[in-house]
Amino acid sequence: GQSLEQPSEVTAVEGAIVQINCTYQTSGFYGLSWYQQHDGGAPTFLSYNALDGLEETGRFSSFLSRSDSYGYLLLQELQMKDSASYFCAVSYGQNFVFGPGTRLSVLP
Amino acid sequence: DGGITQSPKYLFRKEGQNVTLSCEQNLNHDAMYWYRQDPGQGLRLIYYSQIVNDFQKGDIAEGYSVSREKKESFPLTVTSAQKNPTAFYLCASSSLGGESRTDTQYFGPGTRLTVL
Repeated sequence: GQSLEQPSEVTAVEGAIVQINCTYQTSGFYGLSWYQQHDGGAPTFLSYNALDGLEETGRFSSFLSRSDSYGYLLLQELQMKDSASYFCAVSYGQNFVFGPGTRLSVLP
Repeated sequence: DGGITQSPKYLFRKEGQNVTLSCEQNLNHDAMYWYRQDPGQGLRLIYYSQIVNDFQKGDIAEGYSVSREKKESFPLTVTSAQKNPTAFYLCASSSLGGESRTDTQYFGPGTRLTVL
């Protein structure tokens, strides 16, 4: 089966760097994606890794290691508006499986 | 502007009633999806469709039905057989190829369904 695990909550202060991990027990997927969801809103795409390594998109970076069955989202220079839930997801072509999500709280 | 629309934003239903949630996209995407999200939880796949007139069950399809008569539209019906339908419902779409990434989903604003 397909299973992704994430920490349920992470707390950090403004200006800090935070890493949200995603471990999985699945194989054969095309890539690992990350989505952000603010309370009451819809998920929005942040980053995607098809290959092992680091992908950087502004303040957000994402990493994938297929050999370690592990990925992470790195958020730098945290801002209050980054307080949200973050989901990792694996894609199998047109089928997607989401992790349970990590709630990030950014404190002043 | 291209995007995905869902209506209504809030929906109230009496027990025993069927209700249909609308989802329309003008992104020219081939694939469309319905997810259910419960408070503090992740997204669970209900149904998805890769082409018109074809769709597949997801992990929690029982008590739900869909249709895909047009590429732009993928309505979801929550039937009376769904025992606990109160949740946040999200529709999404993705492209099967071309210049768009095939691994990115675009979500609508969601419909919050409450059973009274």
